[in-house]
Amino acid sequence: SQTIHQWPATLVQPVGSPLSLECTVEGTSNPNLYWYRQAAGRGLQLLFYSVGIGQISSEVPQNLSASRPQDRQFILSSKKLLLSDSGFYLCACDFGAGRSTDTQYFGPGTRLTVL
Amino acid sequence: SQQGEEDPQALSIQEGENATMNCSYKTSINNLQWYRQNSGRGLVHLILIRSNEREKHSGRLRVTLDTSKKSSSLLITASRAADTASYFCASSGGSNYKLTFGKGTLLTVNP
Repeated sequence: SQTIHQWPATLVQPVGSPLSLECTVEGTSNPNLYWYRQAAGRGLQLLFYSVGIGQISSEVPQNLSASRPQDRQFILSSKKLLLSDSGFYLCACDFGAGRSTDTQYFGPGTRLTVL
Repeated sequence: SQQGEEDPQALSIQEGENATMNCSYKTSINNLQWYRQNSGRGLVHLILIRSNEREKHSGRLRVTLDTSKKSSSLLITASRAADTASYFCASSGGSNYKLTFGKGTLLTVNP
């Protein structure tokens, strides 16, 4: 079965600093990968998704970017963090290769606080 | 776009009671899913119901789907303190690559 790893688990960064969050997946190949952000007490906002290496789709305009350098690696980045980037970032996957989105599997999340 | 909205936003019950949470969405769907999130953790998939299904059971969970009303409900029977968590519905339709999550219901089960 698939396992999703995220690191770091928590991060406190000053405004204007860069960001790199990493997500790796074990136990499956060619997954669809997703980055979500969850504000306190709110639902999940889809930020990016990827159906393959180098293929990134952005859902909302923002100062964040995503990359997928390897099949099972998904990175969320920013050159300059804003206060509004604070939140809980979740990486998720589902089975790719053209199969429909039945179930998504989530990582443990990264708590980002921008001060 | 689809948008799941759960109600109530928060629900507090005693152990042993049943908990019912509702979800509404706006456009046609392929399936609707329910997820659970313990505080500060990732989401865990609970159950999926397809658009041609009306009811589904899994252990103490019962999900119903009414596509004419664009709504779903999650019933947890004989609740336990360990069921305390946030519960989210997520709808899938149109593009196969996206789920649209609601804002969740925070369930507190008091021992």
